[in-house]
Parts: sequence; structure tokens; C-alpha cells
Amino acid sequence: DLQMTQSPSSLSASVGDRITITCRASQIISGYLNWYQKKPGKAPRLLIYAASSLASGVPPRFSGSGSRTNFTLTISSLQPEDFATYYCLQTYHTYMWTFGQGTKVEVE
Amino acid sequence: EVQVVESGGGLVQPGGSLRLSCTVSGFTFSNHLMAWVRQAPGKGLEWVAYIGQDENEKYHVDSVKGRFTISRDNAKSSLYLQMNSLRAEDTAIYYCARVQIAEIELLVYAIRRIPYFDYWGQGTLVTVSS
Repeated sequence: DLQMTQSPSSLSASVGDRITITCRASQIISGYLNWYQKKPGKAPRLLIYAASSLASGVPPRFSGSGSRTNFTLTISSLQPEDFATYYCLQTYHTYMWTFGQGTKVEVE
Repeated sequence: EVQVVESGGGLVQPGGSLRLSCTVSGFTFSNHLMAWVRQAPGKGLEWVAYIGQDENEKYHVDSVKGRFTISRDNAKSSLYLQMNSLRAEDTAIYYCARVQIAEIELLVYAIRRIPYFDYWGQGTLVTVSS
């Protein structure tokens, strides 16, 4: 089975910091990788689709990169509203889509 | 404006059944794949199922196969999730999500079609407990 390993599981950071979250697939998934932000009590929010395309309305401080099996989400300058949990999602296989375990970004 | 609204959640005993509904507006429902995603208390997001535009394809995560069935009614712009033989571990907020397809041109005449969830509802809570 295709596994998605997200790291770190949590991180502490301050406003203005640059942070990077990694998602690794157990097999090649090419660019079939998307990123979401989740806050308690809110619906998930699309940030990045197809590995590196910025979703509509998402600030340019968010960026995605990667290919084959390794992908990253970068926030160039963390803002107060960015403290949340982030998930990657692979949609490579027709019959099975998988989220990463999540990365919780907390205030340092 | 795209709107996605789930309903049908509630408290159900183990072994019981529940049918979730999702009603959408603001886009042509029949043009899109649709999906269900859930989040158990204190846990991460989990894809549950997705369905093709005219029910021609349906896929479910292994943990719900044989118990849950996704379906849709394009005339009513509605998505459903029939949940049978419910277990305590099915307790979660269930989200309905629209699937969008990104078409990425690789080479001339070569296009990669990448699905992703772009619009989500606010979720409906399902609690399985005696």
C-alpha cells in the first residue's frame, strides 16, 4: 500500500519564521500531491494543488515543491493566522487517496 | 458562490446505520466528482470515499468497504453516504468535498490530470456509542 509520511509531526515557531514541512511517499506519485490547512472547528482549506500550484486566494508566502516521492510545503514568513495543522494528500492511485498524518504548527 | 452543506449526523449505537447527505449549490454538480473525508476526535484527516460524475466509478477506503456506500443524485445536486454496521472507530466529523481536476501539460499531447478537494462543507458529527 502507498504510505504518506509527513514530518515533523509538530513544530514550534515564531511569527516571521520560515518553516518547511515534508511529505514523503512510499512510491512515486509524480505531482499528485496537494496541501491543506486545518484549524479546529473549521473545514480544511486548500493551499497548494498539483505539488506547486497556489490555490486561489492563498497568500504567496505559501509555496509547494517536489516531485516523484518527496514534497515540501514552505511558509516564508509565518503569520499569526498560520498556526494550524497542515496535511498533504496524494491522489495518484485511482482507487485510494491518502492524507499524511499532519503537522501541527504551534507558537514557540 | 459555492456552498456545500452536510446533514444527517447524530448519535447511533454500534451496529446501527446512518445516512449522511450533502447538498451543494453554486456550481454544476453533475460536472464534478465528489468525496467524503472524515476526522476522528484528536486524529488526522482520512479520505473515506469518492464517486464519479454519474456513479460510473466509486471507491472506498479499505476500513469502510462493505459497510459504507457513496452515492449521488445529480437531479437533486446531492451526495450521500450510507453507513451500515457502524463501529466506535467510525466516530468522526464527516466532510463532503468537491473534487476538482488540475490539468498539467507535460509535453505536447501529454496532460496529467490531478484530483484535489477544493470546496468543503463544515462537516456533520457522527457519534457511535452505546
